[in-house]
Amino acid sequence: DTAVSQTPKYLVTQMGNDKSIKCEQNLGHDTMYWYKQDSKKFLKIMFSYNNKELIINETVPNRFSPKSPDKAHLNLHINSLELGDSAVYFCASSQWTSGPSYNEQFFGPGTRLTVL
Amino acid sequence: KQEVTQIPAALSVPEGENLVLNCSFTDSAIYNLQWFRQDPGKGLTSLLLIQSSQREQTSGRLNASLDKSSGRSTLYIAASQPGDSATYLCAATSGSRLTFGEGTQLTVNP
Repeated sequence: DTAVSQTPKYLVTQMGNDKSIKCEQNLGHDTMYWYKQDSKKFLKIMFSYNNKELIINETVPNRFSPKSPDKAHLNLHINSLELGDSAVYFCASSQWTSGPSYNEQFFGPGTRLTVL
Repeated sequence: KQEVTQIPAALSVPEGENLVLNCSFTDSAIYNLQWFRQDPGKGLTSLLLIQSSQREQTSGRLNASLDKSSGRSTLYIAASQPGDSATYLCAATSGSRLTFGEGTQLTVNP
């Protein structure tokens, strides 16, 4: 009965490869997010989708492409992986239409990506 | 642009002590402020959410306060336990995004 799940939990790959991380939420939320936590443990938002529409797109290389097939899923595809992409990627979800004051975000367990 | 700062970066206390973690934010036009806990190698667990119209929220031994005008929030942990050892993150919601502080790493020694 995991609320926000991500797969895989660990991902080790070579530079130049293309990889995807999947995220699913069963909370019935309308908004999903991707965050990156770097080696210094600082969390920064990358993307946000509301009802399958992109609403936040931070300054992220265009090698990163989010895809939301439906409200419950937000996948992250990364092309031509680089060493600097190594980090922990977190997916989150919230119910934005409840009003921004009530917009509590729930996080997945994270995907640790290591690029060799 | 919202910036969130947490002080101290690390804190070590003996078991049973009461403690306060501090969080400050530069843009007071926030919708809410959330406190999270992160255990090593794990995801984030939401502890408390304070709406912009509220002054504080309580959950068990945790009490979070919010002073929007001064751009500050505190997380008070009563009677700390070794199981409270983790990194505590505060995050402010402005517009449609959540901006995180760098966290306070708490160690509670038995």
